[in-house]
Amino acid sequence: DTAVSQTPKYLVTQMGNDKSIKCEQNLGHDTMYWYKQDSKKFLKIMFSYNNKELIINETVPNRFSPKSPDKAHLNLHINSLELGDSAVYFCASRTLAGVRSGANVLTFGAGSRLTVL
Amino acid sequence: GENVEQHPSTLSVQEGDSAVIKCTYSDSASNYFPWYKQELGKGPQLIIDIRSNVGEKKDQRIAVTLNKTAKHFSLHITETQPEDSAVYFCAASISTGTASKLTFGTGTRLQVTL
Repeated sequence: DTAVSQTPKYLVTQMGNDKSIKCEQNLGHDTMYWYKQDSKKFLKIMFSYNNKELIINETVPNRFSPKSPDKAHLNLHINSLELGDSAVYFCASRTLAGVRSGANVLTFGAGSRLTVL
Repeated sequence: GENVEQHPSTLSVQEGDSAVIKCTYSDSASNYFPWYKQELGKGPQLIIDIRSNVGEKKDQRIAVTLNKTAKHFSLHITETQPEDSAVYFCAASISTGTASKLTFGTGTRLQVTL
């Protein structure tokens, strides 16, 4: 199936730990994102990468470090986890050609629910 | 930067009734306005979008309207069904190049009751 896939779907960990979430898309898209959705359902952009290059960094703490080994993968590593990091993290992707034609269409993964105890 | 406000935050309608969700945006340069539906335990999914050169767009039971002068746009769902129950997000973006990004509204939880 063509899709945006995230692992793990659920992640429960203690404060102070370091964890990673992985994302892969097989849609041939050239831009990938991480969004954070808090308990009130607010969707906030964190990062975007275009062809492995960081394009958007929305004043996210340095404890969050995205890595894009190739344009099909964007991983998120979080150091020294805090209670406030508990949220659902969504990976998304889009094609730049779509943007240039006037439609900024994002395809989202199913989300990774992070719970910090 | 862009700011998108969305109302109401929750909406309950009876099956068969219509539902309307409204959004306003702040950046007059925004030219693309999608709507996403998020079902429980899933990621948001695009259901309809509209570009700034169009005032209205319809796809079966859903329609969007855009008023560029007032900087607001709306989602209309007619003949609502239980499967329409979800959280709906509006968004706005300036579709240009690689730095183009979507700014989402705060979401509307729609409940369709039998």
